[in-house]
Amino acid sequence: SQTIHQWPATLVQPVGSPLSLECTVEGTSNPNLYWYRQAAGRGLQLLFYSVGIGQISSEVPQNLSASRPQDRQFILSSKKLLLSDSGFYLCAWSVRGRVSYEQYFGPGTRLTVT
Amino acid sequence: DAKTTQPNSMESNEEEPVHLPCNHSTISGTDYIHWYRQLPSQGPEYVIHGLTSNVNNRMASLAIAEDRKSSTLILHRATLRDAAVYYCILRDRGNEKLTFGTGTRLTIIP
Repeated sequence: SQTIHQWPATLVQPVGSPLSLECTVEGTSNPNLYWYRQAAGRGLQLLFYSVGIGQISSEVPQNLSASRPQDRQFILSSKKLLLSDSGFYLCAWSVRGRVSYEQYFGPGTRLTVT
Repeated sequence: DAKTTQPNSMESNEEEPVHLPCNHSTISGTDYIHWYRQLPSQGPEYVIHGLTSNVNNRMASLAIAEDRKSSTLILHRATLRDAAVYYCILRDRGNEKLTFGTGTRLTIIP
């Protein structure tokens, strides 16, 4: 069966510090991978998605970046965090080309920038 | 992707059916209708999807209007565990991503 992992579960970081969030998927190969952010009381905002190693599409201009160094690994990074980067970060995966297009979400990382 | 409109919130009594509406008047012929829900402090989970015909699965039913400009997610017998934010999303067949709106916050009254 497929499993998606995210870590850390919670994180408190000062403004201006770097960020690295990691997401890995087990039990599938060649998945589409996604990073979302959810600010407090708001809907989900798609940040990045990837259809393959090294292929990253950015949805929203910001101080965040994403990388996919391996097929089932997706990393979200920032060189300098802003207060507005606080939120609930969710990684998701899907099977490429499946009509149902079901996305499977990880447990999320709650980031507080102070 | 075309836009959807949902009520901000709804309430329903436990063990009664719930009908969650979604309007999508600008839907195109290649747009699929997807429903996800998000329980508190969790990531969203897939509920159901459809194109033209009504759909049923173990979680819910999806009723799609004949002109496809609206749809309704039906929970046949709501439980307290169904309290969540429900998202109605349109996805073009050739698109590999979903665009979430603000959804409907469903409260279940014991």
